[in-house]
Amino acid sequence: EAGVAQSPRYKIIEKRQSVAFWCNPISGHATLYWYQQILGQGPKLLIQFQNNGVVDDSQLPKDRFSAERLKGVDSTLKIQPAKLEDSAVYLCASSSLKGSGNTIYFGEGSWLTVV
Amino acid sequence: DAKTTQPPSMDCAEGRAANLPCNHSTISGNEYVYWYRQIHSQGPQYIIHGLKNNETNEMASLIITEDRKSSTLILPHATLRDTAVYYCIVRDRGSTLGRLYFGRGTQLTVWP
Repeated sequence: EAGVAQSPRYKIIEKRQSVAFWCNPISGHATLYWYQQILGQGPKLLIQFQNNGVVDDSQLPKDRFSAERLKGVDSTLKIQPAKLEDSAVYLCASSSLKGSGNTIYFGEGSWLTVV
Repeated sequence: DAKTTQPPSMDCAEGRAANLPCNHSTISGNEYVYWYRQIHSQGPQYIIHGLKNNETNEMASLIITEDRKSSTLILPHATLRDTAVYYCIVRDRGSTLGRLYFGRGTQLTVWP
């Protein structure tokens, strides 16, 4: 079974530029999450989708971050304009509504450096 | 917010058992205990979860105290590849949308 796919793996941009990250969840997984992980800290939830609807975006800095999940499958996370403090790993995760404990599975992450 | 407390770091000799403790004194009856680990430069990897009974799979064992206020993750024969940050997380059982809130975890270092 293929895992959660993310791209790009690494990105370096200058502050005030924009960047977009793409995520393809595990096939059939209805729930999709985006997490931000700053160096030395645990991942922090940014946004959660159920199919193509937003369940929770309370921690998403909406003045610069946006996310969408068209057709309830792939998702993109965009940052515009980027700030130095946005340097982090952006993790996508997905889970199914079915199965024991509906375990959440993570992708490898997209590493962002803002200079 | 994370509802667990873990030691920031531990170490273990290769081949020995690694016992990672976690306190979750405010856990409620509908919350599972989950363990994930994160190897450097990779995404978090699911290890095991449990509600109140002890659990074992091919990766580890999970021992939950009777009052459910603490738990221990056991890696029976640690290898160098088990060096990682280990996260203990409580997660709402009742909701299919239950999300994971991470703390800082425990950095486990396995030495030869």
